[in-house]
Order: sequence, then structure tokens, then C-alpha cells
Amino acid sequence: QSVLTQPPSVSGAPGQRVTISCTGSSSNIGADYDVHWYQQLPGTAPKLLIYDNNNRPSGVPDRFSGSNSGTSASLAITGLQAEDEADYYCQSYDSSLGGSVFGGGTKLTVL
Amino acid sequence: QVQLVQSGAEVKKPGASVKVSCKASGYNFDAYSIHWVRQAPGQGLEWMGGIEPSSGATEFALKFQGRLTMTRDTSITTAYMEVTRLTSDDTAVYYCAREGGGDDVFDNWGQGTLVTVSS
Repeated sequence: QSVLTQPPSVSGAPGQRVTISCTGSSSNIGADYDVHWYQQLPGTAPKLLIYDNNNRPSGVPDRFSGSNSGTSASLAITGLQAEDEADYYCQSYDSSLGGSVFGGGTKLTVL
Repeated sequence: QVQLVQSGAEVKKPGASVKVSCKASGYNFDAYSIHWVRQAPGQGLEWMGGIEPSSGATEFALKFQGRLTMTRDTSITTAYMEVTRLTSDDTAVYYCAREGGGDDVFDNWGQGTLVTVSS
């Protein structure tokens, strides 16, 4: 089991909005360590999607956004497109473990 | 542009060791740490550890301490990861990633190296 908990799957129709949660604890997200999000298309390496909670690297559409509250974080995707179908992972730092930790990943299906 | 190019797939027997390389280009190699992340078949991402190329300082996930070695050769801008005492549980795709854009932010990734451990 992962230190950061994500739902195994979410789905939505094209054009809809979906959110993916990432639940941590007082030693990671709750300790104000930044959360980052990655998108992994089938058969490819992960790609940075959101860094430092709510910042987008150059080239990432503004349909993707991140937020934090307490010991949880969320990734929101608006205007869902077929190309968004992928696995999404959250990541943070954990002070108890002394290193980076990832969520278990969420598979997004575009209906 | 930033590029991380990893060595090719490996097949190893249980108990053996494997060493994977990660050749960096397109940026100042000394200025950004390189981390290693693995992904078992059908599973999620798992952080293994990282190395600071300028000093050689390393940090490890607790479960890999004693079995993981990370090194670098700054003259050829290449980082290496070696795992010893392999078991079938180590079968995975191993990725190197550059820590850029902030603490623990992995902004560029290698293409991955499949390591298969099988008798």
C-alpha cells in the first residue's frame, strides 16, 4: 500500500470535469510539503503535469490544475479530452521516511 | 533540449546484480540531482533514491539501503544505478529522472530500462 492514497480509477465523458484525490498524512502533505502530479500515457515514461501544488510546466494546458487542503491534494481536469486517458500519480516528500513518496496511481478513462 | 537516455533492457538471474546507466545532455549535469524511480509490471511508481552529481552525495529509500548503489561520472555526464541480490520482485522498469523546478520535482525522465529477474 502506498503512503499517498489515490482512487484506483475515475472516468468522465468528453468535455466534463473530473478530479483525482491524493490523501496523505501529517508527515507529508499535512506537513506542508509540496505535491506534484505526473501523467503517464500507456507505454511511456511519466511526464510532469503539476508542480509545487498548483503550478503548470510550460506546455501543459490550463485545463489541468492542482489544489491542497490539510492532508489531501487534488488534481482537476476540465474539458476532458480523449488524449487525457492515462494514469495519474501524485508525489510528495515524507519526513518519517526521509524521501519522496508516490500515490498508487489513478487510471483515468474517457468514456 | 534536456535528454536522459538510459541503457538497454537486462535479464538477470536471482541473486545477481544489475547496473543501469542514464546519459544526460542539454543542461549543466552538475547542477541537478538525478533520481531513480521504478515501476513493477502493472504497478505504480516507487522512488528508490537520488544522487547529487556535483558532490556525489546520495539519499536512499529505506527499503533499498544496503542493496542500492548510485554513482556518477561527470566527465561523461552519466549517472548509474546498481541493485544487488536481485529477486523476482525487482522485475520492473527503472527510470532515471532529473530533479528540476523545485525540491523533489522530477521534470525530465529517461525512457526507462526493463530489468527482468528470472531463473
